[in-house]
Amino acid sequence: QVTLKESGPGILQPSQTLSLTCSFSGFSLSTSGMSVGWIRQPSGKGLEWLAHIWWNDDKYYIPVLKSRLTISKDTSNNQVFLKIASVVTADTATYYCTRIYYANYFDIWGAGTTVTVSS
Amino acid sequence: DIVMTQSHKFMSTSVGDRVSITCKASQDVSTAVAWYQQKPGQSPKLLIYWASTRHTGVPDRFTGSGSGTDYTLTISSVQAEDLALYYCQQHHITPFTFGSGTKLEIK
Repeated sequence: QVTLKESGPGILQPSQTLSLTCSFSGFSLSTSGMSVGWIRQPSGKGLEWLAHIWWNDDKYYIPVLKSRLTISKDTSNNQVFLKIASVVTADTATYYCTRIYYANYFDIWGAGTTVTVSS
Repeated sequence: DIVMTQSHKFMSTSVGDRVSITCKASQDVSTAVAWYQQKPGQSPKLLIYWASTRHTGVPDRFTGSGSGTDYTLTISSVQAEDLALYYCQQHHITPFTFGSGTKLEIK
């Protein structure tokens, strides 16, 4: 069974760095065509793709946030990480970990972790 | 960036009715369109990819169609459990982008 589970700090202050972890099981990020990444959704709003990392270490970011995002992976421990630097209140959202297998649609989603940026 | 437009924020329908939710891309996305269903309090779930391929386990009352810039998700006989938000997404090029969602309301 393929599962993804997000973890994060819950709440942090403006200007801090947000660190998120996706722990997954049921597949390997060393498999050709496999990718894991992040999508966020502010409360009551739509979905915004942020970044994905591929089995070959290729990384793709949403251009408007690229300067603040860093995605990385630990293939041996089945984890993917996302850091967002210099957070602002607009980064308050539920952050979902998602899987891509080859064709850039998101076939598996985690339950999400809620992040609040507040002073 | 490719903009995905779902022109109906809300659609109201009755159990047993046929309903079609539309999505328009700002440029040709070569049938690289996926549809997701998000029920209240849940994460989105993949329904359709490559415009018309049903994901594993998705009931056959859900059908996707379209080409070029215009795509449609049709539910042939709406069930009460289909109350949800529906999002389209283009998986043609990065940045991957979503429509703003259509909320299906059951009368």
